[in-house]
Amino acid sequence: AQTVTQSQPEMSVQEAETVTLSCTYDTSESDYYLFWYKQPPSRQMILVIRQEAYKQQNATENRFSVNFQKAAKSFSLKISDSQLGDAAMYFCACTHNAGNMLTFGGGTRLMVKP
Amino acid sequence: GAGVSQTPSNKVTEKGKYVELRCDPISGHTALYWYRQSLGQGPEFLIYFQGTGAADDSGLPNDRFFAVRPEGSVSTLKIQRTERGDSAVYLCASSPTLGGYGYTFGSGTRLTVV
Repeated sequence: AQTVTQSQPEMSVQEAETVTLSCTYDTSESDYYLFWYKQPPSRQMILVIRQEAYKQQNATENRFSVNFQKAAKSFSLKISDSQLGDAAMYFCACTHNAGNMLTFGGGTRLMVKP
Repeated sequence: GAGVSQTPSNKVTEKGKYVELRCDPISGHTALYWYRQSLGQGPEFLIYFQGTGAADDSGLPNDRFFAVRPEGSVSTLKIQRTERGDSAVYLCASSPTLGGYGYTFGSGTRLTVV
């Protein structure tokens, strides 16, 4: 069984600034994957970034990067140069190996101030 | 199709009624997943299919919930004797093979039981 915890229900950032969203997880598996998803009001979950647990290097996707601390079971998302379009719910998720369902955290609502 | 299509987008039903929610996955995607997202929470796994068969239905909350995928493409989530607690957004996702790695989500069906 896996659990994912997001301790920040809401976060706010000024446009063009940097914000970090926190996520901790727990799993007994040695082979797993971690994800951050964005959910705008349209409800569709959009993949932001993913990290394979066996990779030590932190994943990056343009303005999005993660800080993966495997020993601490921490997987935070950093958004640089925040834009108004980044405002949404963000969910951290975990799956182990292939072929299995995602376990999601409770989400963080990100607000971006102009 | 180009994306995962879910119909209807919104459904209001009376307590005790039967409802069907439809998911049309991306063409060629063999794996299909259903999740339920209650207000203010992250999605929770319900069931997933590999082809026509339910590979894991451990997330279905009780025997009022049932899902089928008879031809390995379109899936229908069926809820009998709906209760107010069934009100949620029901999300569908598909992937080319098993694994959370290549998920594409639909925009969900918002079910409201009155």
